[in-house]
Parts: sequence; structure tokens; C-alpha cells
Amino acid sequence: DVKVTQSSRYLVKRTGEKVFLECVQDMDHENMFWYRQDPGLGLRLIYFSYDVKMKEKGDIPEGYSVSREKKERFSLILESASTNQTSMYLCASRDSTSNGYTFGSGTRLTVV
Amino acid sequence: AQSVTQPDIHITVSEGASLELRCNYSYGATPYLFWYVQSPGQGLQLLLKYFSGDTLVQGIKGFEAEFKRSQSSFNLRKPSVHWSDAAEYFCAVGSYSGGGADGLTFGKGTHLIIQP
Repeated sequence: DVKVTQSSRYLVKRTGEKVFLECVQDMDHENMFWYRQDPGLGLRLIYFSYDVKMKEKGDIPEGYSVSREKKERFSLILESASTNQTSMYLCASRDSTSNGYTFGSGTRLTVV
Repeated sequence: AQSVTQPDIHITVSEGASLELRCNYSYGATPYLFWYVQSPGQGLQLLLKYFSGDTLVQGIKGFEAEFKRSQSSFNLRKPSVHWSDAAEYFCAVGSYSGGGADGLTFGKGTHLIIQP
């Protein structure tokens, strides 16, 4: 089975800090995605990547950036964390053959 | 732009009763449709997906969904719910461009409550 691993389950950061959320997949998938999940809003796409060194803005990219230096790793960066970025962050990768998406367990980020 | 609507925020069903969760989508081409379930504190688990072919799709845990192009719907059903089915359910549509997959667009979710 494909495994998508998010390095932290819970994070607490201070306002203004630079925050890195890491995501690693073990199946050589080209497509990877970052979502945030908020109650009543569902999942919203922040950024995605077609392949190494490639990145595309999703629906809510403001305040975020991403890095994809290696195929297996897709990092989400909060340049200067703010309290409105307190949320659950989910990473996913996609198998282009089956069109199946696999999600990580999520990182619950609290910005204080 | 694509969108997904799940009209019911909460649904309460008695254990053993049948279930139908509604999903309507908007997408300009042939849709790729998904249903996911999320239990409290857990990640998303794929229940089923539809790409083409038979419009009635079978999934895991006894769930099925029916694609109706004329109604732009992809409703999820289960003939008899169990207490363990209590969770949040998300419908999603996949979008694609020349570069590849542009990700899934999700509905806001339906919270399923099971009464004993």
C-alpha cells in the first residue's frame, strides 16, 4: 500500500515563526498536494505539484509556499505564521495509473 | 470552475436503517468522482470512486454510489448502517489539465450520526 507520511501529528508555533510541514510518499508518485481542513469548510487545496521542482497554486495559496526538491518529499512552508493558519493540514499523493489519491494522517497546527 | 455540493451538513440515522448521502457536482467534462470517509482524529479513507463504465459503483464497508449524469449527482448509499459508520463523509471531483492532475475539489462534508 502507498504510504503518505506527515512528519508531525501536532505542532504549536508562535505568530511570526517560519513553519515547515513535511510530507513524504513512498511510491514514486509524480503528483502531490497540500490541503487544509477547517470545520464547516471541508478540504481546500493550497498548493500542488506535478513533479519535482514544479509547483502550482491551488485555491488558497496566500501565506504559503511549497518546495519539491525530491520526488518523494513535498514541503509546505508558512513564511510567517498567523493565527488564522491554525488548522489541520493534509498531504496527498496521486497514482497516475489508478488515479487513486492517498492522504496522510494530517498535521494539526496551532499558531498562538 | 468545478464545485461539489453536499446539501446535508448533518444526518442522523438509526442503526440498521438505510442511508443515502447526497452529492451534486459541477464540472465541464466527464467527472472523476470520489467518496471519502473520515473518522474522528483520523485521515481520509477512500470508500469508492467513479471514472467511467457502470454507473453503480461498489465500495468498501458495504457502501455503493450511483452516478447520474442528468442530475449531476453521485449519491452514496448503504442498506443498513452500523454504529461504526458514524463519521464525516466527503464527496470530491477530480480536475485535470495538460500538466496532469490538478487535485480534488471537495464538498464541505456531511456529518453522520448513528442513533442506537
